[in-house]
Amino acid sequence: RKEVEQDPGPFNVPEGATVAFNCTYSNSASQSFFWYRQDCRKEPKLLMSVYSSGNEDGRFTAQLNRASQYISLLIRDSKLSDSATYLCVVNESGGSYIPTFGRGTSLIVHP
Amino acid sequence: GAVVSQHPSWVICKSGTSVKIECRSLDFQATTMFWYRQFPKQSLMLMATSNEGSKATYEQGVEKDKFLINHASLTLSTLTVTSAHPEDSSFYICSARPTARGFGGYTFGSGTRLTVV
Repeated sequence: RKEVEQDPGPFNVPEGATVAFNCTYSNSASQSFFWYRQDCRKEPKLLMSVYSSGNEDGRFTAQLNRASQYISLLIRDSKLSDSATYLCVVNESGGSYIPTFGRGTSLIVHP
Repeated sequence: GAVVSQHPSWVICKSGTSVKIECRSLDFQATTMFWYRQFPKQSLMLMATSNEGSKATYEQGVEKDKFLINHASLTLSTLTVTSAHPEDSSFYICSARPTARGFGGYTFGSGTRLTVV
């Protein structure tokens, strides 16, 4: 199984800042992509899917660059409650849909 | 929709005993469920893929005789940690993706924190 890589951080930003994370994947045949959020000692929860055309959900924007094999997550106007670990998930092709997780990027938003 | 129930949420057991963790999809059918383990400050590590009606597929380095997986129905998968040892203490999480969903995301159970003393 190929790898999914993320910068573990932590990214330490003030409230109101804009922060971006990237995630690279090595399997060019990967079919679908997601960003999950995981709070400390909790299970991951789906933040958003990543579509080829890019998609936005409020302060969050996700983009996919197939040519360079990476996905990104942009968070605008950071809130204290955005502090969490953000996991990149890539679905490999072949019908088995086995998700591969990045190790996560830790975000700390401070006052 | 797409709720996965996992229990127990936490368990403390003595070395040498076995612990069973259940993972249920409440409002959808899941042909496949995944079992993960997460150590503190580490990423989720896939342990095995649980397939309804057939044997689980284990990741390299995961002992199938120690981590028994049973996926007897389209809504239930169980993970049994046999002869648990302190090094098995970890956060175990299951996940599933609705069979009928195309490229939809995965839903996770709330996790089970296992402490072996």
